[in-house]
Amino acid sequence: AQSVTQPDIHITVSEGASLELRCNYSYGATPYLFWYVQSPGQGLQLLLKYFSGDTLVQGIKGFEAEFKRSQSSFNLRKPSVHWSDAAEYFCAVGAPGGADGLTFGKGTHLIIQP
Amino acid sequence: EPEVTQTPSHQVTQMGQEVILRCVPISNHLYFYWYRQILGQKVEFLVSFYNNEISEKSEIFDDQFSVERPDGSNFTLKIRSTKLEDSAMYFCASRALRNTEAFFGQGTRLTVV
Repeated sequence: AQSVTQPDIHITVSEGASLELRCNYSYGATPYLFWYVQSPGQGLQLLLKYFSGDTLVQGIKGFEAEFKRSQSSFNLRKPSVHWSDAAEYFCAVGAPGGADGLTFGKGTHLIIQP
Repeated sequence: EPEVTQTPSHQVTQMGQEVILRCVPISNHLYFYWYRQILGQKVEFLVSFYNNEISEKSEIFDDQFSVERPDGSNFTLKIRSTKLEDSAMYFCASRALRNTEAFFGQGTRLTVV
């Protein structure tokens, strides 16, 4: 069965500092990979996705993620965080080429300190 | 920009009552989903729906749950007899094609008392 691990429940970074959120997955093949962000009381907004091709993908709000097949990882990065980036971040996987539901990680709560 | 809309944003219901959560997916999308998120926990897949039938469902989606696309625009989730543990945020999502991303609604917070 597929699974997603986000090992960090909470991360605190200073405004302007760089950020990396970790995501590891377990899947029989290379899945479709996603990062979603959820602000308090809000829905899920797609930050970026990886289906195939270039392993470094760019997303919205200055985020990027790198797919590393050998490590089964899809870590999210941002070179300089803003206070508005404070939110819950979810990594998710889906079957390649499929239309089935996504499997989400437990999320990482990002706190930005001034 | 097209978006998935869900109503109501918050629903309070008594245990044992039936509840219907409503969603309007993006108009040209073909695949529809319901997920739930219990407070403080991860988002969990409930069911996917395509071509007017369920294509996949999780263990959570038992006989108490049903989905329907009653017309060309709405997609509903019915919980037949709510339990306290059904309290959660329920998200609807849709996608256009198999190889595209899913777009999520803002969610309906269901509180069972």
